[in-house]
Amino acid sequence: GENVEQHPSTLSVQEGDSAVIKCTYSDSASNYFPWYKQELGKRPQLIIDIRSNVGEKKDQRIAVTLNKTAKHFSLHITETQPEDSAVYFCAAADQTGANNLFFGTGTRLTVIP
Amino acid sequence: NAGVTQTPKFQVLKTGQSMTLQCAQDMNHNSMYWYRQDPGMGLRLIYYSASEGTTDKGEVPNGYNVSRLNKREFSLRLESAAPSQTSVYFCASMLSAANNEQFFGPGTRLTVL
Repeated sequence: GENVEQHPSTLSVQEGDSAVIKCTYSDSASNYFPWYKQELGKRPQLIIDIRSNVGEKKDQRIAVTLNKTAKHFSLHITETQPEDSAVYFCAAADQTGANNLFFGTGTRLTVIP
Repeated sequence: NAGVTQTPKFQVLKTGQSMTLQCAQDMNHNSMYWYRQDPGMGLRLIYYSASEGTTDKGEVPNGYNVSRLNKREFSLRLESAAPSQTSVYFCASMLSAANNEQFFGPGTRLTVL
């Protein structure tokens, strides 16, 4: 099955700086890569996703890049704000009929005011 | 729309007790999922139902059973709870394999003593 690794496990940045979280995946057939944000005690919520037919996608301060050859993808948050503090999870969808998601182990981002 | 709902929010069990976690969605989604979330482990798939009438094992199915009662409802049963099943359980739903976005419920925090 798919194996997703995520780094770093914790990340602290000053408000206004950028944050980058990286993930690798094992199954070259995977073609959908979402990122979820989870605030303390809350449910995971999708913040951005990318499909394998594009290399980059941007939504305001958030961007995701995908390198299919190297099998890695990254989340970039620019101009970080305290409300960006949360745990972020990457995931990759396998290619069974159900398109199940395999998650990374999460990155706890702390934005210091 | 309520989205994905779960009951109960919290539960404490003694070893050997049984219980059923309930999940319902009102988005007319075809696929539904049960995950468990443990510290440092991310989200791991327990069981899934790609469509009404079907269920399949995920990464960590041992000790659990599921029922897809109808298109809206997907329940998770612990027949004989063990301390290793102490976790936060999330239900999720997805419209179809062609639309990969999964929507999560608020979670059930389960403690097994």
